[in-house]
Amino acid sequence: KAGVTQTPRYLIKTRGQQVTLSCSPISGHRSVSWYQQTPGQGLQFLFEYFSETQRNKGNFPGRFSGRQFSNSRSEMNVSTLELGDSALYLCASSSWGGQGVMETQYFGPGTRLLVL
Amino acid sequence: GQNIDQPTEMTATEGAIVQINCTYQTSGFNGLFWYQQHAGEAPTFLSYNVLDGLEEKGRFSSFLSRSKGYSYLLLKELQMKDSASYLCAVRRVGRGSTLGRLYFGRGTQLTVWP
Repeated sequence: KAGVTQTPRYLIKTRGQQVTLSCSPISGHRSVSWYQQTPGQGLQFLFEYFSETQRNKGNFPGRFSGRQFSNSRSEMNVSTLELGDSALYLCASSSWGGQGVMETQYFGPGTRLLVL
Repeated sequence: GQNIDQPTEMTATEGAIVQINCTYQTSGFNGLFWYQQHAGEAPTFLSYNVLDGLEEKGRFSSFLSRSKGYSYLLLKELQMKDSASYLCAVRRVGRGSTLGRLYFGRGTQLTVWP
């Protein structure tokens, strides 16, 4: 099975621009979570989507948004970029196994965003 | 919120054994995960504990005590390639679902010396 894929892998933007990142989960996985990772803050949860619905949301401003498509692929968007948005953005997918079944999150390689 | 604490850095030598501790405080606990992350790469899944006790997987073992809010990752026969950040993550029961989000610790940077 192919793993989680993310595009693009690297991105350079300037302040005020917007950016869209894409994530394709492992085939059959319906849950996609997004994280921001910076050296100072570690892994910070952005949001989770399941069956095209946002199920969980972290403490990020409204400039950060996402969506999920019917094929489980997900996108996240950051508008009005700030210097502090420079980070590694990770996507993770997991399967839904029903009650009492463990689901593990598998991470994609990430998109490294640099805001100048 | 969730308080997940793990040491920031650890060092060890090749062939040795190292134990990385993780303590947490959370309600609705639904599992603890350990991930390994090499510099510049994505985290990779190492182990999962939901019941008390030790889970062994090759050179790596993970232990959980739910009553103490405590877990450790044990790495045996250390190799240079084990130099990485080790992330402890706790899952809580999600609203209206058996799935819940993961809360990550800041990670423990392990350096293995020859």
